[in-house]
Amino acid sequence: AQRVTQPEKLLSVFKGAPVELKCNYSYSGSPELFWYVQYSRQRLQLLLRHISRESIKGFTADLNKGETSFHLKKPFAQEEDSAMYYCALEGGTSYGKLTFGQGTILTVHP
Amino acid sequence: GAVVSQHPSRVICKSGTSVKIECRSLDFQATTMFWYRQFPKQSLMLMATSNEGSKATYEQGVEKDKFLINHASLTLSTLTVTSAHPEDSSFYICSARDSSYNSPLHFGNGTRLTVT
Repeated sequence: AQRVTQPEKLLSVFKGAPVELKCNYSYSGSPELFWYVQYSRQRLQLLLRHISRESIKGFTADLNKGETSFHLKKPFAQEEDSAMYYCALEGGTSYGKLTFGQGTILTVHP
Repeated sequence: GAVVSQHPSRVICKSGTSVKIECRSLDFQATTMFWYRQFPKQSLMLMATSNEGSKATYEQGVEKDKFLINHASLTLSTLTVTSAHPEDSSFYICSARDSSYNSPLHFGNGTRLTVT
């Protein structure tokens, strides 16, 4: 069975501080991992995916297979980063079917 | 960019009635759409996979007779909550992916269902 764990429901930082949103997963095969973001009153949207190895809005995430983690990081948080963040996993044979973590609400204070 | 439209955004219905929620891909074709349910302060749980022209695939524990899914065209999937009860009150979200390989999932805005 596949599982995604986001241990922090709430995370608060001040503007300009580094931020790390934790995500751990459990899956026996080679997973595809994603971070989705939901800003206030907006739909869920893709932030980044591990296979792209890109930085979006200053965020990066590295897949660590040894630690089964996919933490989301940003060196200098901005107020507009305040949102709900979901880590999600797509198993190899489950094309399009995502298993979501419980989400972390990030609040960036001025 | 690709957009998924979900309608209605909010619906209140009486216990025992049925409610239909529509999910449309506006500028792409989706052979597969997905229906999720989100309880308050909880994560999204996949309910079923909607397949164009064939039967939906339901996740374990989801009643197929309660949650009827129809995917009659490449741009429309519907979820009908039949004989709704208060415990069916929830936030329902659909998602769809362009049929081309490796495209990301796009999500609808969700439907808040309240059963009184």
